[in-house]
Amino acid sequence: DAGVIQSPRHEVTEMGQEVTLRCKPISGHDYLFWYRQTMMRGLELLIYFNNNVPIDDSGMPEDRFSAKMPNASFSTLKIQPSEPRDSAVYFCASSSKDTQYFGPGTRLTVL
Amino acid sequence: AQSVTQLGSHVSVSEGALVLLRCNYSSSVPPYLFWYVQYPNQGLQLLLKYTTGATLVKGINGFEAEFKKSETSFHLTKPSAHMSDAAEYFCAVSYTGGFKTIFGAGTRLFVKA
Repeated sequence: DAGVIQSPRHEVTEMGQEVTLRCKPISGHDYLFWYRQTMMRGLELLIYFNNNVPIDDSGMPEDRFSAKMPNASFSTLKIQPSEPRDSAVYFCASSSKDTQYFGPGTRLTVL
Repeated sequence: AQSVTQLGSHVSVSEGALVLLRCNYSSSVPPYLFWYVQYPNQGLQLLLKYTTGATLVKGINGFEAEFKKSETSFHLTKPSAHMSDAAEYFCAVSYTGGFKTIFGAGTRLFVKA
């Protein structure tokens, strides 16, 4: 299995632009998670899905953030408009039982 | 409510020395406990986990951890540190297994030659 796939690996954009991060979970996994990692805040859970349905989005920082999972093999995290404080590494993870498998992350820089 | 506390944001050991990374948790129900490792510019990967059964759990790369219910602890150890062990280590807890895992703040391990 290729593991969790995230794209792009790096994204540099200007403040105010829309950013879309993509994730392909491991086939057969029914849970998908989006995390954000920064030096100041550590690893934060933003939202997670079960069978493509959002279960808990209490970690989504603002209305500028939105996430979708249109099918079992694809999810997006969108930031519109982006701000410099959104600069971080965003991880997607998937699981079927007790262990989460993380993707390599997307390093987002908002100038 | 569940929470995880990792004692020490940075730990430095000499190559060949014992590695001890501390983790305490709080949970109102029997927990599932995990240690993940993150190498630079990579995602987290599972080192080991405790769900049920034997309280001493062995993981990859010679690491092990012991679940001590009376102390609400799940400390990670390795008898002899190797340079390649330098990374950030995260303790985590969940009770339902598979979702809403709570991660600690992480401990960065430095290994000196």
